[in-house]
Amino acid sequence: DTGVSQDPRHKITKRGQNVTFRCDPISEHNRLYWYRQTLGQGPEFLTYFQNEAQLEKSRLLSDRFSAERPKGSFSTLEIQRTEQGDSAMYLCASSDQAGDGRYNEQFFGPGTRLTVL
Amino acid sequence: GQSLEQPSEVTAVEGAIVQINCTYQTSGFYGLSWYQQHDGGAPTFLSYNALDGLEETGRFSSFLSRSDSYGYLLLQELQMKDSASYFCAVDTNAGKSTFGDGTTLTVKP
Repeated sequence: DTGVSQDPRHKITKRGQNVTFRCDPISEHNRLYWYRQTLGQGPEFLTYFQNEAQLEKSRLLSDRFSAERPKGSFSTLEIQRTEQGDSAMYLCASSDQAGDGRYNEQFFGPGTRLTVL
Repeated sequence: GQSLEQPSEVTAVEGAIVQINCTYQTSGFYGLSWYQQHDGGAPTFLSYNALDGLEETGRFSSFLSRSDSYGYLLLQELQMKDSASYFCAVDTNAGKSTFGDGTTLTVKP
């Protein structure tokens, strides 16, 4: 399977615990995005990487959230001291940003559903 | 910041044509994308417009007017499997993508 994969698919944790999610993008895709989605809403942008560089981070994100893409391939999203409001689907997407930058089809992974008790 | 508006729900019958509108406000506009999401599934890409005009991909077409900050997705020959949520998303030249809250399309027999 050459699509975007995410692990785990489901995570249940207690308030105050730390959680880490992994995303493996499509090989050689240079852009990787993290989104959060709650029921009835569209994906909410969290951050994105161009290769290993984190170029944009949502101002909505508190300092409890951090993301890395150390070698420009897979990425991790960590949430520290989880709160009940963090319960959501966390989606990862990747794209192959062409040189002219005009086309940005994002391929989404299946998501990690986080439940904070 | 960015904001997008699209209708929350649309209902149509099989075989019909439906248009889902999207208006946006943003700085650094780069392009407008459309995604489809079925219940329990991940968003999948449908169409992208960076320039004014119509882009056609099979039964789906998308239109953009940059001067009006407006676009729409046109779905023709509706099928039951088209029942899903449809999101417009604005790309900025900073690389950020902002999605609307989605339009739930219900196709009835």
